[in-house]
Amino acid sequence: SQQGEEDPQALSIQEGENATMNCSYKTSINNLQWYRQNSGRGLVHLILIRSNEREKHSGRLRVTLDTSKKSSSLLITASRAADTASYFCATDRRGVTGANSKLTFGKGITLSVRP
Amino acid sequence: GAGVSQSPSNKVTEKGKDVELRCDPISGHTALYWYRQSLGQGLEFLIYFQGNSAPDKSGLPSDRFSAERTGGSVSTLTIQRTQQEDSAVYLCASSSTSYPTKQYFGPGTRLTVT
Repeated sequence: SQQGEEDPQALSIQEGENATMNCSYKTSINNLQWYRQNSGRGLVHLILIRSNEREKHSGRLRVTLDTSKKSSSLLITASRAADTASYFCATDRRGVTGANSKLTFGKGITLSVRP
Repeated sequence: GAGVSQSPSNKVTEKGKDVELRCDPISGHTALYWYRQSLGQGLEFLIYFQGNSAPDKSGLPSDRFSAERTGGSVSTLTIQRTQQEDSAVYLCASSSTSYPTKQYFGPGTRLTVT
């Protein structure tokens, strides 16, 4: 099964509203990352949160991490039509030492922002 | 600077034919990853290179799939005797040695097996 599982699977909101997406995972991690994918092509890294961090901000993005619940949320504030994309969480698992460890991706959330 | 590039962007092939997909990582990135994404699905890990060696091939779905990397740069993913279930978008990513690892993705190759 997927290490990271996002919910909801699909989300449709009005421009200007906030979008909240959740990710749950099963094993201990070193860090958790969120990526965006437009039109089924390459993914773009959005934000990374380490296992010893609880919250992180980047522009209109806010990520939280609760390691006790093995869950993370991505909040996009004041959404725009250009935020329409698929969003994936990816976990970097504890126990994999050194650089270049393997990320495990969830199935993604499809976000539609209506103008 | 240039990002990760992949070629071809689209490939249509007949069942049973062999295909080669190419990935050019970001210059200086030592790690290279191949993923497969079927329609509406997440990313399925295929193989990871560190330099020219592949310490993790655990995701290759069958012995019809192979990959190599030469000169610590370009990588080729080869699928022999393609099947219809191989149809997917094949994504390549690279990362530097700095940790934690952030991966930089190419635009992907959309493979259609008819």
